Parts: sequence; structure tokens; C-alpha cells
Amino acid sequence: DAMVIQNPRYQVTQFGKPVTLSCSQTLNHNVMYWYQQKSSQAPKLLFHYYDKDFNNEADTPDNFQSRRPNTSFCFLDIRSPGLGDAAMYLCATSSSPRQGFQPQHFGDGTRLSIL
Amino acid sequence: AQSVTQLDSHVSVSEGTPVLLRCNYSSSYSPSLFWYVQHPNKGLQLLLKYTSAATLVKGINGFEAEFKKSETSFHLTKPSAHMSDAAEYFCVVSGSDYKLSFGAGTTVTVRA
Repeated sequence: DAMVIQNPRYQVTQFGKPVTLSCSQTLNHNVMYWYQQKSSQAPKLLFHYYDKDFNNEADTPDNFQSRRPNTSFCFLDIRSPGLGDAAMYLCATSSSPRQGFQPQHFGDGTRLSIL
Repeated sequence: AQSVTQLDSHVSVSEGTPVLLRCNYSSSYSPSLFWYVQHPNKGLQLLLKYTSAATLVKGINGFEAEFKKSETSFHLTKPSAHMSDAAEYFCVVSGSDYKLSFGAGTTVTVRA
């Protein structure tokens, strides 16, 4: 089945130690998104890629970076994680908006804990 | 700009009884609306979507929603709740920039 896969499902890192979360998709969608979701809250968009074009949200901290080496993969890098970055990180994909409004397809997320 | 308001933060129902989750939206143009469900430690799963076709939208797992432009509402219903319906539900509107605006979510608990 076509899907969005996030690895790892659970990640523990130390305060200030860089961490990378990965997302892959078999849907061949050209848009990929990263969201941060804290407990009992709605997901918050961090940034997205439209093909190779990176689009950062205005309030996303500089501590968060992203890479998309090809259509299938996208990475979220947190350069110096703080305790406030502990959250569920969700990756999502969608097809081109030029084809009309398409729903986003989500992975199961990576739950990040900071020690 | 677009936004959604979910009118109930928590809904509790008995198994086998109807479920109603209320959502009002605000949009300056004809919106695309979605309902997503999130089970614990899982991603969001699309239940159904409205994109200016039929106003009554049928989704997965017996859920349906009705788009009412005059009331700016998009309420989600299911005639008979199942234990597996216990989850968090998000009403979502898509903007012209294809970004999603989420409601605050409604937690559904199902009593045996």
C-alpha cells in the first residue's frame, strides 16, 4: 500500500544533542510537510516542500531545519533540542494543489523525548 | 484567512448511540473541509472531505458530514458509536495556499 513512513517511531535524545527524524513516501506526492504536535493540541505546521522549494513558517524556530534530497524522502533536523521541543512530529504529503484541493496524508509520527 | 471552531472539546457517548461532533468554519471563499481522526500515538487519518460537490459527504467507518453554507457548519455524525471510535477528531479547512487550519480537536470517549 502506498503510504507515508516515519522513522523512528520513538526517539530519545539529550538536551542540546542534534537529532534527525526521517520521512519517506511511496505516494509520489510533490508536497511534503512537517508538523509539530504537543500533547492535547492540534498539529502546528513547521515548514513544507513544494517539490524542491522550501517554505518556512514565520514562527518556526531557527533550531529546526529540513532537507529533501529527492521526491521520496524528507528529513527534519533539530540542531540543539531543548526541553520544549519534546513533542510528536508528523510528516504529511499531498499532491499538487494545481490539481485542486487535495487532502494531506499523514505518517504515524515520531515521538521525541528530550533528557 | 480561514479558520475552524470545534464547539465541543470532549464528547462522551454510549456504545451503539449516535455521535455528533460540531464544527463551524470561517472562510472568505468556497472552502475545502476535512475531518481527520487521530488514535493515541498515531498519525492523522482522513475520515472524509468536502470539496464543493455533494453537501452530504460519506466517509470511512460509517461517518458522514453535512456541509451547510448558510450556517457555516460541517458537523460530523455517526449513527452508532463503536468502542474503536474513541479518539481525537479534528475539523480542518484548507486555504488557498493549500495549508491546513486545524480546529482545537474533540476527544471522543465511548462507554460500554
